[in-house]
Amino acid sequence: DVKVTQSSRYLVKRTGEKVFLECVQDMDHENMFWYRQDPGLGLRLIYFSYDVKMKEKGDIPEGYSVSREKKERFSLILESASTNQTSMYLCASSFTPVSGNTIYFGEGSWLTVV
Amino acid sequence: GENVEQHPSTLSVQEGDSAVIKCTYSDSASNYFPWYKQELGKRPQLIIDIRSNVGEKKDQRIAVTLNKTAKHFSLHITETQPEDSAVYFCAARPGGQNFVFGPGTRLSVLP
Repeated sequence: DVKVTQSSRYLVKRTGEKVFLECVQDMDHENMFWYRQDPGLGLRLIYFSYDVKMKEKGDIPEGYSVSREKKERFSLILESASTNQTSMYLCASSFTPVSGNTIYFGEGSWLTVV
Repeated sequence: GENVEQHPSTLSVQEGDSAVIKCTYSDSASNYFPWYKQELGKRPQLIIDIRSNVGEKKDQRIAVTLNKTAKHFSLHITETQPEDSAVYFCAARPGGQNFVFGPGTRLSVLP
């Protein structure tokens, strides 16, 4: 069974703080993703990675960065948290895309910036 | 790029009735269409998917239909049960590109 684990489920941070969200997958997937989920907006892609040390911007990368030093681990970094980054963050992983490969999600990290 | 629309945004049905959620996509290169169910506080989980070379797929009470010409696909849930209450997301994948998700439908099954 695929397991995508997000280490922090609930965080409260102050404006301007640096925030790290960690994600680990145990299926040797090449691809990893960070999404942001907001009511009525669905899932929006922040960043993704196809390989170790690789990163690509998604649809809403502003205010975020990522790190992938090991294949199983993908970190999302908020350099200076702002209140409009209060949201639910979902990590996901998948094998290298061929037609039909789906993605597997973590449980989500609820971030509140005050 | 691909754009996925999903309707309705909320849906309430009586237990035992059927529910239908429809998604439309814009990119004719999209060839894979999964549906995810997300229960409150939990991760989205794949419930059914369909590839572009198939028109319909069924798994017990859940079915998905695809109309490539019209660029839309639908999720059908029959004999709904309270545990079907959740948010459902559709997605489309243009070739080897990343998934594009619909905004979600909140389904409530009333006892």
